[in-house]
Amino acid sequence: KQEVTQIPAALSVPEGENLVLNCSFTDSAIYNLQWFRQDPGKGLTSLLLIQSSQREQTSGRLNASLDKSSGRSTLYIAASQPGDSATYLCAVRLSNAGGTSYGKLTFGQGTILTVHP
Amino acid sequence: GAGVSQSPSNKVTEKGKDVELRCDPISGHTALYWYRQSLGQGLEFLIYFQGNSAPDKSGLPSDRFSAERTGGSVSTLTIQRTQQEDSAVYLCASSPPGLQGRQYFGPGTRLTVL
Repeated sequence: KQEVTQIPAALSVPEGENLVLNCSFTDSAIYNLQWFRQDPGKGLTSLLLIQSSQREQTSGRLNASLDKSSGRSTLYIAASQPGDSATYLCAVRLSNAGGTSYGKLTFGQGTILTVHP
Repeated sequence: GAGVSQSPSNKVTEKGKDVELRCDPISGHTALYWYRQSLGQGLEFLIYFQGNSAPDKSGLPSDRFSAERTGGSVSTLTIQRTQQEDSAVYLCASSPPGLQGRQYFGPGTRLTVL
């Protein structure tokens, strides 16, 4: 059974800091990995998706890396802003036999990020 | 364009009653997923639809839970004889054709069972 762990559970930083969120997974037979952000009382917003064949993806101030062999992904946020405050979730999609995938996501518990002015 | 929509946004019911939760996916998205988010369990997969069929129902917690999808579009999640442990936010997601599609989530339905 795939297990996804996120560290730290919570993080508070001053505005302008660069920060790293960590995600680890137990089954390396993944199809892809997504990072989401969730604001209080809202649904999930997809930030970055990394396919299993890729090493990293970038979008603006966000960069996500993937190391399948070690079962790890990191989300790097540069020059953090108060608007980045949210819960960040990592989710893994497993491959089926034959390299296909049903699409079911297994989520970590999330990292609650607070960026204070 | 319009995103995934869910209704109702909030539902309060009494223990033992049946509830129906609705999801309208993004137009053209063939895959649809239901997840549940509760304080103790985090975000858990419930069921996956491809078109109108459900090849993966492995996350449904008991036979009180069922879901259907009609016309390859709208989906309904039904919980019969609700229990207090069913209280959670129920999230729906859809993704476009192709195996690499990312999942787009709706705002969720908050279910409270008294």
